Amino acid sequence: AQSVTQLGSHVSVSEGALVLLRCNYSSSVPPYLFWYVQYPNQGLQLLLKYTSAATLVKGINGFEAEFKKSETSFHLTKPSAHMSDAAEYFCAVKGDTGRRALTFGSGTRLQVQP
Amino acid sequence: NAGVTQTPKFQVLKTGQSMTLQCAQDMNHEYMSWYRQDPGMGLRLIHYSVGAGITDQGEVPNGYNVSRSTTEDFPLRLLSAAPSQTSVYFCASSRTGGDYGYTFGSGTRLTVV
Repeated sequence: AQSVTQLGSHVSVSEGALVLLRCNYSSSVPPYLFWYVQYPNQGLQLLLKYTSAATLVKGINGFEAEFKKSETSFHLTKPSAHMSDAAEYFCAVKGDTGRRALTFGSGTRLQVQP
Repeated sequence: NAGVTQTPKFQVLKTGQSMTLQCAQDMNHEYMSWYRQDPGMGLRLIHYSVGAGITDQGEVPNGYNVSRSTTEDFPLRLLSAAPSQTSVYFCASSRTGGDYGYTFGSGTRLTVV
């Protein structure tokens, strides 16, 4: 069974600082990996996805993530945090056989301090 | 393009009542899913469908039923509401293929008293 683990339920950074949100996956086959963002009282919006075309994936709002097979990781980064980045971020994995739905991590709430 | 539309946005039920959460998508997506979101637990899969007439259980299916008679609609039925079903429910849809992400609706906030 595939799963994802997000380390750190809350992360706080200063405006302008590096954002690093951690995600590790468990999958018996090369996975499809996704990062979603959820702003308060809203649905989930796709930030970026890994589909094996490139290990460094660029997404919206200046975010990017690097797929590292040796570390089974797909950490999300942004060089300089902005106040508008404050939200909850979810890592998810999807299979292309069997259950073709997303399996989510427990989420990381990002706070950005002025 | 409306995307994924969920109704209602808010609902209060009494214990034992039944209701149906509606989900419709206009993108001709084959895959559809229902999730519930609870604090600190991320999103947990209730039921999913890979096409009209095909549904399967996710991680937390007890107390919920689904059917998929058309590509567009994927309603979630609560048979006899319990306080443990107080949650935010999200419907999502996706094209076929593992490399497509899911598009989410805006959610239904359900309170069972």
